Amino acid sequence: SQKIEQNSEALNIQEGKTATLTCNYTNYSPAYLQWYRQDPGRGPVFLLLIRENEKEKRKERLKVTFDTTLKQSLFHITASQPADSATYLCALDMRNSGTYKYIFGTGTRLKVLA
Amino acid sequence: DTEVTQTPKHLVMGMTNKKSLKCEQHMGHRAMYWYKQKAKKPPELMFVYSYEKLSINESVPSRFSPECPNSSLLNLHLHALQPEDSALYLCASSRRTGGETEAFFGQGTRLTVV
Repeated sequence: SQKIEQNSEALNIQEGKTATLTCNYTNYSPAYLQWYRQDPGRGPVFLLLIRENEKEKRKERLKVTFDTTLKQSLFHITASQPADSATYLCALDMRNSGTYKYIFGTGTRLKVLA
Repeated sequence: DTEVTQTPKHLVMGMTNKKSLKCEQHMGHRAMYWYKQKAKKPPELMFVYSYEKLSINESVPSRFSPECPNSSLLNLHLHALQPEDSALYLCASSRRTGGETEAFFGQGTRLTVV
């Protein structure tokens, strides 16, 4: 069955540094991969989508890479700020007999220390 | 309007009660989803509706019964729940299922079964 694992349940970094979060998957080849941010008690908010034929995508301080050979996506937040503290989730597009769904990874709780 | 509205925000119900969760979006999205999220876990897909038809049921117990009365509304009917069903229930919508489409999530209904 599909496993989507994100590195370390929790990650603490110092303000101003670059946070790097990892999403690893097995037993599947998604065409799309998304990253979401979730704050406590709230629904996830979409951040970025990357296609299987794209190596890298950027949006402001965010950068996502997608390595289909390694079956891994990296999510970077540069010049991190305490306001970036949240749980970050990757989600993979899974297709089964023509139906589509996104399945979430285990999530990484990021804390940016002032 | 890029909002997905869920009501109620909080719900406490007994194991013999019948209640319903409601979800509404006016973005013209034709895919709608129910997710269940336990504390410190990722959202877990329950149901997917595509063009008002149920397309995915992730082997959810029959005490959860989804309904999609029209393209803007999604309900989740609850009956004879167990305490372990207590969780945050999230509704989401997207232009269509899967692929290159982001999901918009509601704030969730915090359900407690006593």
